[in-house]
Amino acid sequence: DAMVIQNPRYQVTQFGKPVTLSCSQTLNHNVMYWYQQKSSQAPKLLFHYYDKDFNNEADTPDNFQSRRPNTSFCFLDIRSPGLGDAAMYLCATSRDRQDLRTDTQYFGPGTRLTVL
Amino acid sequence: GEDVEQSLFLSVREGDSSVINCTYTDSSSTYLYWYKQEPGAGLQLLTYIFSNMDMKQDQRLTVLLNKKDKHLSLRIADTQTGDSAIYFCAESINRDDKIIFGKGTRLHILP
Repeated sequence: DAMVIQNPRYQVTQFGKPVTLSCSQTLNHNVMYWYQQKSSQAPKLLFHYYDKDFNNEADTPDNFQSRRPNTSFCFLDIRSPGLGDAAMYLCATSRDRQDLRTDTQYFGPGTRLTVL
Repeated sequence: GEDVEQSLFLSVREGDSSVINCTYTDSSSTYLYWYKQEPGAGLQLLTYIFSNMDMKQDQRLTVLLNKKDKHLSLRIADTQTGDSAIYFCAESINRDDKIIFGKGTRLHILP
């Protein structure tokens, strides 16, 4: 019973060609997160949505955008992918932000992005 | 500043105990976590400990927290081949709505 679903699992794009990664959840959680994880590195938070409230991390490049059209879906748009954007992109959810520190973050399996 | 450090590799024989160590710098951490990531998969929360606790045990897992030294450890008893994964230490900080991850320790199981 998948709870956080990411599509596709593997995505190949060309340098500069816009790409969209998808995340959906069946948990009805209020908070959805996007992380970037490069090889042998910690996941790096890009941004998160608390309901419709978008929270961008200060060091997230403008090249990365996000949309959350409804509770279940959240998209990561990379407007002009560079070679340095090749990474695993992880989506996560948590029930609430007030209880962020106790509420489990549920992670999806990730989408591995390759930039040619 | 916020920083979580852990060694990158650990090799353990099957059946032995594994101990993965982590240090953190922010004394205002409220919760500390251990996540497991298997190849090609997302992160799975294994366990967490509140900062006013010293120890938490859950089946084969034991978490020890030394708040004075800002040191966290995860002990896996009777390590099995299925425990082979990357283990991430993480902290949440009272003033911020995010979790800071370490770089992960790759646990390799020897036959």
